[in-house]
Amino acid sequence: QQQVKQSPQSLIVQKGGISIINCAYENTAFDYFPWYQQFPGKGPALLIAIRPDVSEKKEGRFTISFNKSAKQFSLHIMDSQPGDSATYFCAAMISNFGNEKLTFGTGTRLTIIP
Amino acid sequence: EPEVTQTPSHQVTQMGQEVILRCVPISNHLYFYWYRQILGQKVEFLVSFYNNEISEKSEIFDDQFSVERPDGSNFTLKIRSTKLEDSAMYFCASREIAGQQVQFFGPGTRLTVL
Repeated sequence: QQQVKQSPQSLIVQKGGISIINCAYENTAFDYFPWYQQFPGKGPALLIAIRPDVSEKKEGRFTISFNKSAKQFSLHIMDSQPGDSATYFCAAMISNFGNEKLTFGTGTRLTIIP
Repeated sequence: EPEVTQTPSHQVTQMGQEVILRCVPISNHLYFYWYRQILGQKVEFLVSFYNNEISEKSEIFDDQFSVERPDGSNFTLKIRSTKLEDSAMYFCASREIAGQQVQFFGPGTRLTVL
């Protein structure tokens, strides 16, 4: 019940296209859903995050869509660029004022081709 | 911009040896975490630490693991007797205050157990 399922495992998108990565969760106690971007040899870096009281959050070319009833959320990267090539992890957390731990999805390796 | 730092970047050790991985969290952060990522797999929570004690630990964090904040700046993960399956990237993360969900990750230490 603590799992976060992520798909696809890998994704190849043409430059300028839209990249879409999907995640699903079971535990309805999760109340914070971040996306992390990881480049080879680096630690995960927060990209964008959402709480379940909103259905969408946009920051520049990155948008999270959140469907509370379906227990799904997705990352959309508009106008994908070669510099977006990285591994993306969705995650979920229960805000517990002290004991927050991130439960990560399995990751999506995104490759943007010219 | 403040960042989490980790040393060493790569540690090679023989099975059965003790290793200590070091982290310097962001200076005003109060909550500290260790995660690990086995090659090609998802990032997994190991332990959270607040107010000089463990807040939560995963089933991975058995008696071979320990954490310590020996002074005001360092946060360490010790593996007492390393096993082959401990080979992974170990990430330290820190968070500012209760209710602030964002965790900032360090660049990681690659541990190789031979």
